[in-house]
Amino acid sequence: GAVVSQHPSRVICKSGTSVKIECRSLDFQATTMFWYRQFPKQSLMLMATSNEGSKATYEQGVEKDKFLINHASLTLSTLTVTSAHPEDSSFYICSARLPGQLSYEQYFGPGTRLTVT
Amino acid sequence: GQQVMQIPQYQHVQEGEDFTTYCNSSTTLSNIQWYKQRPGGHPVFLIQLVKSGEVKKQKRLTFQFGEAKKNSSLHITATQTTDVGTYFCAGPGDSNYQLIWGAGTKLIIKP
Repeated sequence: GAVVSQHPSRVICKSGTSVKIECRSLDFQATTMFWYRQFPKQSLMLMATSNEGSKATYEQGVEKDKFLINHASLTLSTLTVTSAHPEDSSFYICSARLPGQLSYEQYFGPGTRLTVT
Repeated sequence: GQQVMQIPQYQHVQEGEDFTTYCNSSTTLSNIQWYKQRPGGHPVFLIQLVKSGEVKKQKRLTFQFGEAKKNSSLHITATQTTDVGTYFCAGPGDSNYQLIWGAGTKLIIKP
């Protein structure tokens, strides 16, 4: 149980275009999802917390107009990187919590490797 | 702000040797979690520690939570090639069940 999928797993796009990444909880409903960015050989950097039916909460320094997050249903959150630039190239990972769960345990998707050329 | 510090950044061991990674927080933690990320993969939850002085074991992995609930450690006995990866600790963030992540310790098995 508690499987999270992410699509696409890899994407290459040209500078200036937008890319949408989907995060789905496959066997549970996730009221809260998290979006992370991970640079090579570094830790996870929380970008935003996505709550179903409400606006995402962005971490300090993360541009909300550039990284658009939509959590329209209990099983799907999307991250859209708008007007992508080479510096946006990174590994983007989403995670989700089980509803009603008291622990902080997060279940992670397999990640999306974005390359902007 | 809250920080979780983790050392060392890398640890090279011969297969069969032990491995230990340490986490420290500037503030008392209500709990601490440990995750493992294989090369090219995503973090996978290993365990959550909640009680002061708690020690939990999973086969060759031993997890400890300090008495003051400010530090934690993960010890692997007799490492195997399947243990290769980066081990992260994470503590609770400010809100909404966020996690504050340590920098991770990469376990490398010497050839």
